[in-house]
Amino acid sequence: AQSVAQPEDQVKVAEGNPLTVKCTYSVSGNPYLFWYVQYPNRGLQFLLKYITGDNLVKGSYGFEAEFNKSQTSFHLKKPSALVSDSALYFCAVRDTGSARQLTFGSGTQLTVLP
Amino acid sequence: DAGVIQSPRHEVTEMGQEVTLRCKPISGHNSLFWYRQTMMRGLELLIYFNNNVPIDDSGMPEDRFSAKMPNASFSTLKIQPSEPRDSAVYFCASGAIASGGVSGNTIYFGEGSWLTVV
Repeated sequence: AQSVAQPEDQVKVAEGNPLTVKCTYSVSGNPYLFWYVQYPNRGLQFLLKYITGDNLVKGSYGFEAEFNKSQTSFHLKKPSALVSDSALYFCAVRDTGSARQLTFGSGTQLTVLP
Repeated sequence: DAGVIQSPRHEVTEMGQEVTLRCKPISGHNSLFWYRQTMMRGLELLIYFNNNVPIDDSGMPEDRFSAKMPNASFSTLKIQPSEPRDSAVYFCASGAIASGGVSGNTIYFGEGSWLTVV
């Protein structure tokens, strides 16, 4: 079975401050991990993914995420938040040991305050 | 690339009417997914096609829902008859997924079809 948890429904940060959006996962094999962002009234846009290799993954718009196998986490980070980063963020996982498709978390609403 | 194209973007219909949502995947992608997004249930996978064949329809809520993929460039999701509880955003996504199903390839979403059933 595969599952993903986003423990925070909402995250608020001030513009210019670093931001972190948390994600933990559970798989029976090894994970493929993804982050997507959804702006109001839009579809989900791909940000970045971890497949293998370097634990620190860099993606679009200055975002990065760190894969931590021991903590089964894949937190999304950005060193300096922008008001335009305000959106809904989804973490997703696919277990390499099964044929199941992506399982998405419940989403975290990020608000960056000016 | 035009991305995944969905139509209509918005639909308001009366309870009992048939609703057909359409999707054109990204050219060259062999897998297509239909998702539903609601406030209460979040993002749910309804059905997944690989090479035009339905692989997993366990997420389809009930017999009122049906999906087809007659060719590699077109899919439909039909609700008949529609009910108010079907009101949601329906997303189509596509990706290049190996036939065995296990892949780190990304799936890409369309802009969604906003359905309201009154």
